[in-house]
Amino acid sequence: ELKVEQNPLFLSMQEGKNYTIYCNYSTTSDRLYWYRQDPGKSLESLFVLLSNGAVKQEGRLMASLDTKARLSTLHITAAVHDLSATYFCAASNTGNQFYFGTGTSLTVIP
Amino acid sequence: EAQVTQNPRYLITVTGKKLTVTCSQNMNHEYMSWYRQDPGLGLRQIYYSMNVEVTDKGDVPEGYKVSRKEKRNFPLILESPSPNQTSLYFCASSSSNRYEQYFGPGTRLTVT
Repeated sequence: ELKVEQNPLFLSMQEGKNYTIYCNYSTTSDRLYWYRQDPGKSLESLFVLLSNGAVKQEGRLMASLDTKARLSTLHITAAVHDLSATYFCAASNTGNQFYFGTGTSLTVIP
Repeated sequence: EAQVTQNPRYLITVTGKKLTVTCSQNMNHEYMSWYRQDPGLGLRQIYYSMNVEVTDKGDVPEGYKVSRKEKRNFPLILESPSPNQTSLYFCASSSSNRYEQYFGPGTRLTVT
């Protein structure tokens, strides 16, 4: 069974600062996903990473994948209040199942 | 508008009373899935379907049933709900390549 671990679970950061959320997974995965969830809302797809070394960027968020280390990172650059949300990573195996991390609750403080 | 819809959005029921949560998508997606979200546990996959009449168990299928008779619909059935099935449920769909999942608005279920 594929296990996905995220850290930190909670992150409080000041506006303008940079930080990274880490996502480790236990066995081979053919793709890695990042999602955002605002309080009381559904999940929104941010990135899908398909291969070793893949890097995707959207605004102040950048995701990368190292399949050899079984590690994905979500880097936040110059955080703003609008980025406050819970971020989930998820891995998918060739069996078409999805395995989610427990989420990182991010609060950006003015 | 491309969307995944779920009904009902909120449901309070009693132990043992059969219920169905409906899920429908208008994007002609092959892949559909059900998840439950519990505090501290993230999302856990209950069942998924690669296409019509093809369903498979996810990580936590016990106590749930699904069917996929039409491509657009993927209902979740709780034959005899128990309090430990109190949770927030999400339906999601994607094309067969699974590059991007679209999530429904969620159904908050309370079983007393």
